Amino acid sequence: EVQLVESGGGLVQPGGSLRLSCSASGFTFSAYWMSWVRQAPGKGLEWVANIKYLGDEKYYVDSAKGRFTISRDNAKNSVYLQMNSLRAEDTAVYYCARDVKFGEFDYWGQGTLVTVSS
Amino acid sequence: DIVMTQTPLSLSVTPGQPASISCKSSQSLLHSDGKTYLYWYLQKAGQSPQLLIYEVSSRFSGVSDRFSGSGSGTDFTLKISRVEAEDVGVYYCMQGLHLWTFGQGTKVEIK
Repeated sequence: EVQLVESGGGLVQPGGSLRLSCSASGFTFSAYWMSWVRQAPGKGLEWVANIKYLGDEKYYVDSAKGRFTISRDNAKNSVYLQMNSLRAEDTAVYYCARDVKFGEFDYWGQGTLVTVSS
Repeated sequence: DIVMTQTPLSLSVTPGQPASISCKSSQSLLHSDGKTYLYWYLQKAGQSPQLLIYEVSSRFSGVSDRFSGSGSGTDFTLKISRVEAEDVGVYYCMQGLHLWTFGQGTKVEIK
């Protein structure tokens, strides 16, 4: 059974940093792109970043460029999102998702809440 | 960036009646490989999103055949042939051509 479990969310002050983790199981992790998608409270979905199988290609939404870094450790079946210079508008539930190809997210985690507030 | 625009933003449907959601992209979603990477996701209250339709019209595993997707280029439609109570939630289209973007979402409720 495919499972994605996010962790690392919490309350952080504006300008602070947070590292999210997503632990995967039930499939060959290194064979898939992985993505992070977020959802601000009461708002819609926003794709944030994705990373190719070996981590040699990464893409970001404009609002995340220069502040967020996606990475993966295939030996640990995990994908990460390092978030720096956090802003109030980064407050959201962050989901990791398995990306079959070109945004086909067939499995999602349960999400982890990030709150940026003083 | 590719902008995805959904209409309507909310829909109230009588059980057993059909429903239709439109999604328009700001540019053609036809990839050079000949495929069109347009997806439909449903997010039920308190849950993570779930994949319904991929590549415009292919139903994901386990998705009811009451759901169908159609369209090409920049215009796409999700249809529910007979709405049931379990279909309530927010439906999102999403493009996978370049730096994936979602539509605003369409909230479907039962009358």
